[in-house]
Amino acid sequence: DTAVSQTPKYLVTQMGNDKSIKCEQNLGHDTMYWYKQDSKKFLKIMFSYNNKELIINETVPNRFSPKSPDKAHLNLHINSLELGDSAVYFCASSPPGQGLGLEQYFGPGTRLTVT
Amino acid sequence: AQTVTQSQPEMSVQEAETVTLSCTYDTSESNYYLFWYKQPPSRQMILVIRQEAYKQQNATENRFSVNFQKAAKSFSLKISDSQLGDTAMYFCAFQEGPGNQFYFGTGTSLTVIP
Repeated sequence: DTAVSQTPKYLVTQMGNDKSIKCEQNLGHDTMYWYKQDSKKFLKIMFSYNNKELIINETVPNRFSPKSPDKAHLNLHINSLELGDSAVYFCASSPPGQGLGLEQYFGPGTRLTVT
Repeated sequence: AQTVTQSQPEMSVQEAETVTLSCTYDTSESNYYLFWYKQPPSRQMILVIRQEAYKQQNATENRFSVNFQKAAKSFSLKISDSQLGDTAMYFCAFQEGPGNQFYFGTGTSLTVIP
């Protein structure tokens, strides 16, 4: 019944490690997003994919690499984790359509803690 | 670059009272959308209300309404008859093309006091 799901919900890891966060949506949406919410609650777009194609890539270190195997999935892989990567990462999706005003549906977030 | 400013980091309101959260934005676009999202302690982001820039009529959703002043680039959220469940972070968001991405404000933490 879950619309946008993320795994894991919590991730604790050490500096230098590589980790992945998975996102899946069962809404039939075409566009998926990754956002980062820092410790001050500021939410910032990182990436956007439409039909498996990258359409937004904000200023994000190359250590972050999104991968979309199909329309329903958008995974985020992070290499060489740093302390500053600690944050909550949200996946979101929006319905098909070219116009603005399309609501984004958010996943529950993944709290990443790098020690 | 688009910017969204929420000048009230924290607010509180008595249960059943009315509260207004402010939001201003900066853009050179003529067509865009504005949203308010709510993030309760559960962390889940929930859409509260949306407004199209071309519509002069202010959007309303039950106890939630907006005051959209396009010339002033202002988009405030009014919550009437506040309830304990309204306690949350509220984010104002600006949406524009081509990727329809959101630009979020820094959020306002609202506490409803019983």
